[in-house]
Amino acid sequence: EVHLLQSGGGSVRPGGSLRLSCAASGFTFSSYAMSWVRQAPGKGLEWVSATTGSSTATYYADSVKGRFTISRDNSENTLYLQMNSLRVEDTAVYYCAKGYNYGEDWGQGTLVTVSS
Amino acid sequence: EIVLTQSPGILSLSPGERATLSCRTSQTVTSTYLVWYQQKPGQAPRLLIYGASSRATGIPDRFSGSGSGTDFTLTISRLEPEDFAVYYCQQYGSSLRTFGQGTKLEIK
Repeated sequence: EVHLLQSGGGSVRPGGSLRLSCAASGFTFSSYAMSWVRQAPGKGLEWVSATTGSSTATYYADSVKGRFTISRDNSENTLYLQMNSLRVEDTAVYYCAKGYNYGEDWGQGTLVTVSS
Repeated sequence: EIVLTQSPGILSLSPGERATLSCRTSQTVTSTYLVWYQQKPGQAPRLLIYGASSRATGIPDRFSGSGSGTDFTLTISRLEPEDFAVYYCQQYGSSLRTFGQGTKLEIK
């Protein structure tokens, strides 16, 4: 059974940084692309970033390009999202998901709050 | 950017009834690249349909997807109490993956 366990997140002031983690189990992590999707409070879904299994290709939404970095450690079966220069509008629940184009399986989500 | 417009915004039905949810795209999307999710309050989305019409693993056969071009439909043949949730469509036919704004399916 696929399991994606997220950690990180929390509250930060505008301009600050956070790193999210997503520990994967139940599948061959290195063989699968992974993604991050976010959902602002009471709003819809927004695809944030994705990376292939070997990290040879990455994708970023324009809204986070240059500020967020997706990475993965296949030896630790873990996906990361480094978020720098955070803005109030980055406040959302962030989900990791298995897949590059759509989410086959999802983590439980972690709340990131950016506020002064 | 391909814009996805879902209708209706809110659908009020009773258990046992048939639900029909619409997703229209601003540009033609290859059917393979259209998916549907279900999201319940406080939970992550769950993949229901991929390739416009293929059910994901473990999804009951009362859920079905159809459509092509710019018009896609999610149908729930007979609503069960656990089906009341928000439903999103999503496309990845362009490099920018986009979601619809969602349809809330509520108990009448």
